[in-house]
Amino acid sequence: DIQMTQSPSPLSASLGDRVIITCRASQSIANHLNWYQKKPGKAPNLLIYAASNLQSGVPSRFSGSGSGTDFTLTITSLQPEDFATYYCQQTYITPQTFGQGTKVEV
Amino acid sequence: QVQLVESGGGVVQPGRSLRLSCAASGFIFSSYTIHWVRQAPGKGLEWVALIWYDGSHRFYTDSVKGRFTISRDDSESTVYLQMNSLRDGDTALYYCARDSNSGFYALDIWGQGTMVTVSS
Repeated sequence: DIQMTQSPSPLSASLGDRVIITCRASQSIANHLNWYQKKPGKAPNLLIYAASNLQSGVPSRFSGSGSGTDFTLTITSLQPEDFATYYCQQTYITPQTFGQGTKVEV
Repeated sequence: QVQLVESGGGVVQPGRSLRLSCAASGFIFSSYTIHWVRQAPGKGLEWVALIWYDGSHRFYTDSVKGRFTISRDDSESTVYLQMNSLRDGDTALYYCARDSNSGFYALDIWGQGTMVTVSS
């Protein structure tokens, strides 16, 4: 199985900060990488698909980049509603696998 | 509106079975691949299984192969997850999710989840 490793975990940040979360795959996955936001008691929310495509309805302060094995999720100017746990997911090979999650906290 | 609603969770003894349901509404169900994803208490997300829009392909994570079966009934707009030989490690909140048809298995619509607790 492909292992997905996120860093840092957790991530301490303040309102207005630029936040960067990294995700590394144990082998190349091209651009088959999605990002989700997860809040307690809520279902995950798709932010980015295919490494860099912003899902409809997601604020433009979220962006993704990368290909191969190294990927990043960037949040420019962190807002109060952005404090959550973020997961990357590779869908290049079954079984699809998620990273362990990065909790963005104060 | 577009939504998925899971049901069928509960408390079950190890070795027993349970069937989860995922009822869809608000979209053309037969055009979409559906996934199950779970989250054990205090843990991260784990992909479990998927069934293609036409039912032609089904895939599972290794830990549930041979024990879980995913199926769909397009006439009922429902996907099922039959879970047999349940283990303690299957305890989790189970979500069903719709594939966005982006070609990247991105999950754009999720249900609220149904809790499965395996305990003696």
